[in-house]
Amino acid sequence: DSGVTQTPKHLITATGQRVTLRCSPRSGDLSVYWYQQSLDQGLQFLIHYYNGEERAKGNILERFSAQQFPDLHSELNLSSLELGDSALYFCASSLGDNSPLHFGNGTRLTVT
Amino acid sequence: AQKVTQAQTEISVVEKEDVTLDCVYETRDTTYYLFWYKQPPSGELVFLIRRNSFDEQNEISGRYSWNFQKSTSSFNFTITASQVVDSAVYFCALSEGWWGGSEKLVFGKGTKLTVNP
Repeated sequence: DSGVTQTPKHLITATGQRVTLRCSPRSGDLSVYWYQQSLDQGLQFLIHYYNGEERAKGNILERFSAQQFPDLHSELNLSSLELGDSALYFCASSLGDNSPLHFGNGTRLTVT
Repeated sequence: AQKVTQAQTEISVVEKEDVTLDCVYETRDTTYYLFWYKQPPSGELVFLIRRNSFDEQNEISGRYSWNFQKSTSSFNFTITASQVVDSAVYFCALSEGWWGGSEKLVFGKGTKLTVNP
C-alpha cells in the first residue's frame, strides 16, 4: 500500500459529460502529480502541484483542470469527455526534492 | 528533450531463469534521476528503485539488481531466479532534477514480463 488514495476506482460515463477524480496524498507529502495511462500514449504526465500551487504542466488538455486544496488533497476535473479520454488516471505524491513518486491505485475512466 | 526507451516490448521466461530488462535514456542535463516501477496485473504502480546521475554504483536488493552505465546511457534491471509473481509490466523513468521546480517523470513504454511456471 503506497499510502496514496484515489477515488473512485472505476468510472463509466458518457461523451460530453464531466467527472472529478480525487486524490489524497501520503501523509506529509506536499507534491501531487497526475498521470494518464492509455494504450497508445503510455504513461503521460499531466500536471504537478506543490503545497497548493501549480508547478508544472505536461500534456494536459484544456478540457482538463486540477487543483490542490489546503488539506493537500487534489482533484482532477475532466470535462466535455470524449471516447479518447478513456484511460487509467494515476495520482502520485512525493515529499519533493526528487524523492520517489508513490502512486495510487488509479481511477479507470471509461467514456462510452 | 528527455526520452526513455525500453526496446523490449514483451519478454517471456520460465521460472528460475534470470532476465534482464533494458532501459536507455536521453537527457541533456548532468543532474538527473532514474527510476524503475513495476505494474502488476492488478494495475497499481509500485516504486522499485531511484538512482541519481552521480551514483553509478550497481545496486542489489534480493533477487533484483540494477546496472547503471552513464557511458552508454543505460539503466538495466535484472531479476535473478525469476518467479511467477514477477510477472508484470516494468517501467523505466527519468527525471531531470528539481531545477524547474518539478520532478516530473518521463516513462518508457514498458516491458511486459511473463514468467511461466
